[in-house]
Amino acid sequence: AQSVTQLGSHVSVSEGALVLLRCNYSSSVPPYLFWYVQYPNQGLQLLLKYTTGATLVKGINGFEAEFKKSETSFHLTKPSAHMSDAAEYFCAGNAGGTSYGKLTFGQGTILTVHP
Amino acid sequence: EAGVTQFPSHSVIEKGQTVTLRCDPISGHDNLYWYRRVMGKEIKFLLHFVKESKQDESGMPNNRFLAERTGGTYSTLKVQPAELEDSGVYFCASSHAGKGANVLTFGAGSRLTVL
Repeated sequence: AQSVTQLGSHVSVSEGALVLLRCNYSSSVPPYLFWYVQYPNQGLQLLLKYTTGATLVKGINGFEAEFKKSETSFHLTKPSAHMSDAAEYFCAGNAGGTSYGKLTFGQGTILTVHP
Repeated sequence: EAGVTQFPSHSVIEKGQTVTLRCDPISGHDNLYWYRRVMGKEIKFLLHFVKESKQDESGMPNNRFLAERTGGTYSTLKVQPAELEDSGVYFCASSHAGKGANVLTFGAGSRLTVL
């Protein structure tokens, strides 16, 4: 069975600082991995996804994530935080096949950006 | 393109009452999913429709939950009778069939509070 773990339920950074949100997965099959963001009163928005191919994935709003099979990790980064990045971020995965939309989510990480 | 719409945004009911949540997916999306986030926990899969058929309902908690998708368009999720532990945010998501199936568009969620 697949599980996804996000390390740190709350992360606080200064504006302009590096953002690093950690995600580890466990799976017996090569996973598809995703990062979603939820702004207040909005739905989850897809930031980026890894399916196959290049392990460094670029997403929207300057975010990127690197799939590291040896570390079973898919950490999300952004070089310089902006106030508008404050939101809750979710890492999710699935095993592909016919269960494309059946995602296993991590617990979520609330990102706070202070001036 | 209109997004995924969920109604109501917030519902407060008493234990033992019935509530029906509605989801309008993006037009043309064959796949429709329901997820739930209980306070303090991760978002969990409930079920998956392909058009009007239930593809996977392995995440449904118990028989107090009934999901329908008549005509393969909008979906409803009824909880009857509601219990305290049913409180949480219920998310609906939809996606295309085929290649785009793993790119889910989520609604803003319906927050259910059972008193």
